[in-house]
Amino acid sequence: AQSVTQLGSHVSVSEGALVLLRCNYSSSVPPYLFWYVQYPNQGLQLLLKYTTGATLVKGINGFEAEFKKSETSFHLTKPSAHMSDAAEYFCAVSDRNGGFKTIFGAGTRLFVKA
Amino acid sequence: DAGITQSPRHKVTETGTPVTLRCHQTENHRYMYWYRQDPGHGLRLIHYSYGVKDTDKGEVSDGYSVSRSKTEDFLLTLESATSSQTSVYFCAISESRSGNSPLHFGNGTRLTVT
Repeated sequence: AQSVTQLGSHVSVSEGALVLLRCNYSSSVPPYLFWYVQYPNQGLQLLLKYTTGATLVKGINGFEAEFKKSETSFHLTKPSAHMSDAAEYFCAVSDRNGGFKTIFGAGTRLFVKA
Repeated sequence: DAGITQSPRHKVTETGTPVTLRCHQTENHRYMYWYRQDPGHGLRLIHYSYGVKDTDKGEVSDGYSVSRSKTEDFLLTLESATSSQTSVYFCAISESRSGNSPLHFGNGTRLTVT
């Protein structure tokens, strides 16, 4: 069965600092991988996804993530944090053999200090 | 933004009463989902639909039922609400059943069962 682990339920960075949010997955075959962002009182929005091809994926708002098969990881990074990046971030996986059941991590809340 | 409207946005109800949450989409997507979001658990799939009158259970379906009589509407019913069903409920849609098709979310319904 697939599973997703996000290391750290809360991450705090200073404005302008590097953002690193960690995600590891467990799956018998490499799944499709997603990062979603949730702002207060809103639903989740897709940041980026990895399906195939280049392992470094660029998303919206300057975020990117790298798929590392050997480490079963899909960490999310942004070189310079902005106050508007404060939100909750969810890593998710979906089976290559068919949809319907996207599995979400528990989420990481990002705080950005001025 | 995907046209997904959830109603009501907030609801307080008493234990033992039935509750129906509505999801309405204007994207004409075939696939619709109900998730619940709880701290420390991320999002968990309750039920999903792959067409009018075609629905199936997710991982946390006990105590919930769904109906889909039109492409655009997907209803979630708590047959007899319990305090453990206090949660934020999200409707999502996707364009295809392929695992690489991202989910698009509504803004959620916050349900409190007293």
